Amino acid sequence: GQQVMQIPQYQHVQEGEDFTTYCNSSTTLSNIQWYKQRPGGHPVFLIQLVKSGEVKKQKRLTFQFGEAKKNSSLHITATQTTDVGTYFCAGRRDTGRRALTFGSGTRLQVQP
Amino acid sequence: KAGVTQTPRYLIKTRGQQVTLSCSPISGHRSVSWYQQTPGQGLQFLFEYFSETQRNKGNFPGRFSGRQFSNSRSEMNVSTLELGDSALYLCASSQTLQGANTGELFFGEGSRLTVL
Repeated sequence: GQQVMQIPQYQHVQEGEDFTTYCNSSTTLSNIQWYKQRPGGHPVFLIQLVKSGEVKKQKRLTFQFGEAKKNSSLHITATQTTDVGTYFCAGRRDTGRRALTFGSGTRLQVQP
Repeated sequence: KAGVTQTPRYLIKTRGQQVTLSCSPISGHRSVSWYQQTPGQGLQFLFEYFSETQRNKGNFPGRFSGRQFSNSRSEMNVSTLELGDSALYLCASSQTLQGANTGELFFGEGSRLTVL
């Protein structure tokens, strides 16, 4: 079945450093979504990417969708303590069953 | 508008028992999906319901079942509980079927199940 791998599993950074998490799918995706889950909270939608090579920005967050639509990345510039949480990518297959498959998540810890 | 509501928020059961979890989606949302979240396995898809019909199912044993009512509220049931079923069960609603829409999932706070 479809697999969505996410690396790294965990990253600890100093406040002000940059952070990147990568997402790779075993199959071509129709679109990819990113969610953030704060400690003790529930996943909250951040963004969706649909087009091959698409890049979207939200303030300090930059999201990319690969040309082959099989990988994606989230980059945070100059992290802040409010960025703490687990970031999940979630991909939807291009064909067949289309339920969202979530990556295993990257837990970000920011040291003030 | 009210968010996704899940009940109960916390529950403790013993092995062999069964449990029913409830989810009320955002008003107007017709799709309800269920996910199991554990520290080691991340978010695992259980099933999705749309207009009272199960549209997608994940790789979980038959002990896991669900249903959706005409008002879009959904329940999931786990029978013959095992220790490994301890997890946070998240419900998410969306306006249309997951595979057909381009929209986001709205998650509830989850029901944390502990099996002793």
